[in-house]
Amino acid sequence: SQQGEEDPQALSIQEGENATMNCSYKTSINNLQWYRQNSGRGLVHLILIRSNEREKHSGRLRVTLDTSKKSSSLLITASRAADTASYFCATDEHGPDMRFGAGTRLTVKP
Amino acid sequence: KAGVTQTPRYLIKTRGQQVTLSCSPISGHRSVSWYQQTPGQGLQFLFEYFSETQRNKGNFPGRFSGRQFSNSRSEMNVSTLELGDSALYLCASSLGAASTDTQYFGPGTRLTVL
Repeated sequence: SQQGEEDPQALSIQEGENATMNCSYKTSINNLQWYRQNSGRGLVHLILIRSNEREKHSGRLRVTLDTSKKSSSLLITASRAADTASYFCATDEHGPDMRFGAGTRLTVKP
Repeated sequence: KAGVTQTPRYLIKTRGQQVTLSCSPISGHRSVSWYQQTPGQGLQFLFEYFSETQRNKGNFPGRFSGRQFSNSRSEMNVSTLELGDSALYLCASSLGAASTDTQYFGPGTRLTVL
């Protein structure tokens, strides 16, 4: 089964705007990871956040985790056309193997 | 270091046939996971191998099987192919088996079943 449901399914913004996508899970996790996938290719790891962390930054990426709401958000600031991709969250909700959601398709228009 | 490689990159088969996909992990990585990606279902976990042992298996029928060799290379096999097996099959390797280990994905094998 899939876990880590992303929302929205698709997002379209203009270059320079911020993009926010969310991920929810059902039970408890030890960590949550975000990945990016460019059209039809393999996924690339972006950031990992542990259950005892609330926020992490990496360049233009900011990830928050709210374990009470069982949700995480990924914020991409000052988006660029090159950020166009699908973004997935993955959790260890079902054990050490990471389970992915259906992803959010982000389109950044130049 | 070379990345994760998957062969073949593209494959066309007919219903009822079987197929074997190969994945070579990054050197030194001992864990290999397989995923099926389709537009409707997203990324579905197939199985994970660590040191030649299958540690976890997703919710797929027995037609889907895999194995890992002593050099950590992995293969997955799908027998009696069905139209619904058409998908992008991704493998990912990681150094260890902890959920905090970053997974490094290969480019995938695009399987089309006619």
